Amino acid sequence: EDKVVQSPLSLVVHEGDTVTLNCSYEVTNFRSLLWYKQEKKAPTFLFMLTSSGIEKKSGRLSSILDKKELSSILNITATQTGDSAIYLCAVEAIIDSGGYQKVTFGIGTKLQVIP
Amino acid sequence: GAGVSQSPRYKVAKRGQDVALRCDPISGHVSLFWYQQALGQGPEFLTYFQNEAQLDKSGLPSDRFFAERPEGSVSTLKIQRTQQEDSAVYLCASSLYGTNTEAFFGQGTRLTVV
Repeated sequence: EDKVVQSPLSLVVHEGDTVTLNCSYEVTNFRSLLWYKQEKKAPTFLFMLTSSGIEKKSGRLSSILDKKELSSILNITATQTGDSAIYLCAVEAIIDSGGYQKVTFGIGTKLQVIP
Repeated sequence: GAGVSQSPRYKVAKRGQDVALRCDPISGHVSLFWYQQALGQGPEFLTYFQNEAQLDKSGLPSDRFFAERPEGSVSTLKIQRTQQEDSAVYLCASSLYGTNTEAFFGQGTRLTVV
């Protein structure tokens, strides 16, 4: 059974701090690793990572995949109160030759940024 | 519409009642997914449609759960004889085709069974 484990489960930081969120996975037929930000109820897509060692960056957020260690990190620099959310890691596995992929989510890391 | 729309936003059902949750995906999106998210957990996959075809329903927890997408657009998730453990947020996501990679999620329906 595919598994995604995130750590820490929750984190409280002050504005301006840098945070690192961790994700490890066990999956058969790995295709990609995804990061989502969930505020209130709807997750919004952040990054898709398929290749090891290549950093993806979007503003103050960046992420990298280590396929040897079966893990990924999500970094947020100069945190702001608007970064407060649950950050979900998910892995995409290839199910069949027709291209259908199945996504398994982790529980998430709850980040709270205080002024 | 501009995004994935789900209704109702909140539903309180008495145990044993049937409920129907609606998802309006982004126009033109072929793939539609339903997820169940219990409090403090990540979204759990329920079922997947490609147009009107339900290609995967392996995540549906019991035969009380039923989903349909008869015209390949709007989808309905129906739960019969609701039980307390069905209380969760039900998320719908759509993507342009096949991959779930850049799926757009709706705001979800929070179901509370009392």
